[in-house]
Amino acid sequence: NAGVMQNPRHLVRRRGQEARLRCSPMKGHSHVYWYRQLPEEGLKFMVYLQKENIIDESGMPKERFSAEFPKEGPSILRIQQVVRGDSAAYFCASSPAENQPQHFGDGTRLSIL
Amino acid sequence: GEDVEQSLFLSVREGDSSVINCTYTDSSSTYLYWYKQEPGAGLQLLTYIFSNMDMKQDQRLTVLLNKKDKHLSLRIADTQTGDSAIYFCAENPRQLTFGSGTQLTVLP
Repeated sequence: NAGVMQNPRHLVRRRGQEARLRCSPMKGHSHVYWYRQLPEEGLKFMVYLQKENIIDESGMPKERFSAEFPKEGPSILRIQQVVRGDSAAYFCASSPAENQPQHFGDGTRLSIL
Repeated sequence: GEDVEQSLFLSVREGDSSVINCTYTDSSSTYLYWYKQEPGAGLQLLTYIFSNMDMKQDQRLTVLLNKKDKHLSLRIADTQTGDSAIYFCAENPRQLTFGSGTQLTVLP
């Protein structure tokens, strides 16, 4: 199954640590999107990337959060100095082109102690 | 601004039809989507409709789009217990804007 792969599925961090979430898009997809789902809420857009470029980061918090999609390897969502409010499910999606249907991974559930 | 609204809960009996409704605001969306999320899982793309279409049928699923009223609906025929999940509608000028989701409960 060559779907969107996210790892880890579950991640536990203590306040102040760093969290790194990985996403490998579907084969043939070069557009990657990150979304966050807080408990009992829908998904909120964070960032849209193509290979080596951030296209739209209008949903990213201004501090502590960063994302990259290098030429080789998965896309990484990085959260520095995590706080309790960062606890959420983080989903990655990919598409073959802009405005094409997005396919989602199973998410990374981040818990902050 | 962008806003997608859905009712939060729907209960139906097994074998009946389910209709989940959604209103959206951004008329520039190319596609409108329905996703299904089961507990602890990611989002499964159920179906989508191109913005210049009125209706799309895919086996038990029927999507209706009223562009004038910016209203989207998903009908599930012969609803089964396996259809119990949260259903999200989404629009996309570029990134997806989701509704809050409708929790569908199928009663035996």
